[in-house]
Amino acid sequence: AQTVTQSQPEMSVQEAETVTLSCTYDTSESDYYLFWYKQPPSRQMILVIRQEAYKQQNATENRFSVNFQKAAKSFSLKISDSQLGDAAMYFCAYSDGTYKYIFGTGTRLKVLA
Amino acid sequence: GAVVSQHPSRVICKSGTSVKIECRSLDFQATTMFWYRQFPKQSLMLMATSNEGSKATYEQGVEKDKFLINHASLTLSTLTVTSAHPEDSSFYICSATAGDLSEQFFGPGTRLTVL
Repeated sequence: AQTVTQSQPEMSVQEAETVTLSCTYDTSESDYYLFWYKQPPSRQMILVIRQEAYKQQNATENRFSVNFQKAAKSFSLKISDSQLGDAAMYFCAYSDGTYKYIFGTGTRLKVLA
Repeated sequence: GAVVSQHPSRVICKSGTSVKIECRSLDFQATTMFWYRQFPKQSLMLMATSNEGSKATYEQGVEKDKFLINHASLTLSTLTVTSAHPEDSSFYICSATAGDLSEQFFGPGTRLTVL
């Protein structure tokens, strides 16, 4: 069965600094999708970044980038130039393209002014 | 684009009553909708998957007679919590796909409190 593990329950970062959130997963599939979602206090799930497993190039979205290591089954999120608005719960998610999303337990990110 | 709404955003009910939560895709036709449950400070757990015009598929451990799901149209799915109990209090989130099952668009969630 597929699993997603986020080993950091909470992380802190100074404003304008860089932080990396870790995510590992387990699957026997070769083709799948990985996501990072942000859940602010409003509880609305917001897609931060998406990675297709068949793509070797790491996805980037402005200040957000991932380090996708397929062999190691690792999918970390790097947030550069952290802003106060980045404070939220971050969930890593896996999908094999059928329909089911499997979420990690989340990492609470605090941004210190 | 790809906006999903939920109604109500918050509901409080008495134990034993039924509560209906609506999930709508506002600007696209949702071939598949999903219902999640999120306990405080925990992750999202998939409860069921619904396809328009067919019966929902429930995840293991989810009581289908308690959590009734109807996907009557390509833009609306409803979750009815029947005979609600305090342990059903939770945050319920729906999501929808527009055919590309690899990406889901999430609603803002509904907080259910059962007294």
